[in-house]
Amino acid sequence: RKEVEQDPGPFNVPEGATVAFNCTYSNSASQSFFWYRQDCRKEPKLLMSVYSSGNEDGRFTAQLNRASQYISLLIRDSKLSDSATYLCVVIGPLPTDKLIFGTGTRLQVFP
Amino acid sequence: NAGVTQTPKFQVLKTGQSMTLQCAQDMNHEYMSWYRQDPGMGLRLIHYSVGAGITDQGEVPNGYNVSRSTTEDFPLRLLSAAPSQTSVYFCASKRTSGSGTGELFFGEGSRLTVL
Repeated sequence: RKEVEQDPGPFNVPEGATVAFNCTYSNSASQSFFWYRQDCRKEPKLLMSVYSSGNEDGRFTAQLNRASQYISLLIRDSKLSDSATYLCVVIGPLPTDKLIFGTGTRLQVFP
Repeated sequence: NAGVTQTPKFQVLKTGQSMTLQCAQDMNHEYMSWYRQDPGMGLRLIHYSVGAGITDQGEVPNGYNVSRSTTEDFPLRLLSAAPSQTSVYFCASKRTSGSGTGELFFGEGSRLTVL
């Protein structure tokens, strides 16, 4: 079983739609969680961190469910510019400091 | 402030050749790492380092060597290239203490083709 699993998509949604991605992780002792965004043929970049209490950044909301070992990302009012691959990232249990990436979920927003 | 710089951006090798992918960062980050990205496989960790003189294996280390003689540099060596090593390689660095330890800064990637 992979350490971090995501639905590869693609998710094809119209502008203005709300879309949600989930990600599951296998190690219950994992310590930190993040969402990264990767545009086609570019390097990944941090989108947001994920906290147990949930966090919001504009149209983006991330949540963590430790009991079920999954992370979610909600995008409201989708824009064409949101089209990208969204990568779920986990830092494993201490003392490791390495980041493990999911395979990514591709989002395509159409007019 | 250049961030993370990788060279070369493109390389074509023949099976059995060796080469080194260079990576340098100017942010004084303790942590540096190499990933490869293949279609359908996502980013897979090859090797990483938490400081000069310290390296460790990731998920897919076979066929690759690394060293960390300085904080700034983390080269990745392909010992005897194989077609299975055709991929896009990313170098990335981050802090290991204080805020922002989850933010990896990536280089632009190196596209390697092994014939």
